[in-house]
Amino acid sequence: DTAVSQTPKYLVTQMGNDKSIKCEQNLGHDTMYWYKQDSKKFLKIMFSYNNKELIINETVPNRFSPKSPDKAHLNLHINSLELGDSAVYFCASSPSGTGFTGELFFGEGSRLTVL
Amino acid sequence: QQQVKQSPQSLIVQKGGISIINCAYENTAFDYFPWYQQFPGKGPALLIAIRPDVSEKKEGRFTISFNKSAKQFSLHIMDSQPGDSATYFCAASKRGSNYKLTFGKGTLLTVNP
Repeated sequence: DTAVSQTPKYLVTQMGNDKSIKCEQNLGHDTMYWYKQDSKKFLKIMFSYNNKELIINETVPNRFSPKSPDKAHLNLHINSLELGDSAVYFCASSPSGTGFTGELFFGEGSRLTVL
Repeated sequence: QQQVKQSPQSLIVQKGGISIINCAYENTAFDYFPWYQQFPGKGPALLIAIRPDVSEKKEGRFTISFNKSAKQFSLHIMDSQPGDSATYFCAASKRGSNYKLTFGKGTLLTVNP
């Protein structure tokens, strides 16, 4: 009964490959996010979706393509992986509108290692 | 451009001591200031948050102090415990920002027994 779940937890792949990370939340939230945490622990927002609609795209390379099939799921597909893509990717969710308190609920992260 | 600056980068405190982490922000439109706690291998989780209409908020051993004129806010952990050892992030957001949180760079807190 995990609130925000991501799969896989670990991903090791070669440069140039394509990979996907899946995220699901069972909190009934309308807004979902992808954050990237680099090796220095810096957390940076990549994308945000509200009711399946993209509302934030923080100048992320277009090799990264998020997809939200419904408001409970937000997947991240990465094409042509580069060494610099190695990081921990966190999915998060929050209520929207008047329900938004500023609290984000994070998953446990997916550690991507590109060799 | 780093909109939320956090210090120190790391902090070592003895059990029972007070841990203090500071943040400064630039955007006066920010109106929500949370602190997140992250344990190794886990996602960040909200610890405590404040809005700029109050100068202090306390929850148990955790207190946020907020100075609107100085554009600074800080987290104080009283009676620090080894279980408090984690990375702490301050953050800020503003209404109408499409729910965007801007995080500080984090502080690794180690509480020695």
